[in-house]
Amino acid sequence: QVQLVESGGGLVKPGGSLRLSCAASGFTFSDYYMSWIRQAPGKGLEWVSYISSSGSTIYYADSVKGRFTISRDNAKNSLYLQMNSLRAEDTAVYYCASLRIQLWPNWFDPWGQGTLVTVSS
Amino acid sequence: EIVMTQSPATLSVSPGERATLSCRASQSVSSNLAWYQQKPGQAPRLLIYGASTRATGIPARFSGSGSGTEFTLTISSLQSEDFAVYYCQQYNNWPSFGPGTKVDIK
Repeated sequence: QVQLVESGGGLVKPGGSLRLSCAASGFTFSDYYMSWIRQAPGKGLEWVSYISSSGSTIYYADSVKGRFTISRDNAKNSLYLQMNSLRAEDTAVYYCASLRIQLWPNWFDPWGQGTLVTVSS
Repeated sequence: EIVMTQSPATLSVSPGERATLSCRASQSVSSNLAWYQQKPGQAPRLLIYGASTRATGIPARFSGSGSGTEFTLTISSLQSEDFAVYYCQQYNNWPSFGPGTKVDIK
């Protein structure tokens, strides 16, 4: 079945960097648009970034533009989020999610289980 | 930026009762509206897209309605597994989510 598994979260100091990964299985990853969405502890959901199936089109939320970089490796069925210059307000569970229809923007389905990023000194 | 609001923040309902959740957009999003369910420690799960189309495997007791700026998610007869937080999301423009409605046991 369709599965998305995130990894790479952890504790990092303000100003530090972290790289998240999302491993996809059960579907033809290269056909699907992908996104990262985050959820601060006890808070709501915030869309972070989007990448088209080929990787040719990328968008970011203003809150992370210039600091985060989304990428994908279709040969490895993997999605990535390179996070630099991290701030306390970036503390959140980060979910990867796919878009079932090749149209942006759209709804997100399915979602991975998430990986927690904590930015603290 | 389209701002989504949801009401009420918390809804206390007895099992078997009907629950009605509201979502409002700061400007028209047409029918580009999705609903998600999130249980503690789990990822959100898609329930509804296109304002009223149930996602695959979603029980018929979940229904969505509305267009433009006003939307409703109705759970016709609450089951124990339905107690959760529900989020709406617009995708007419850059995606944005509402703050959620927590449905808990009365």
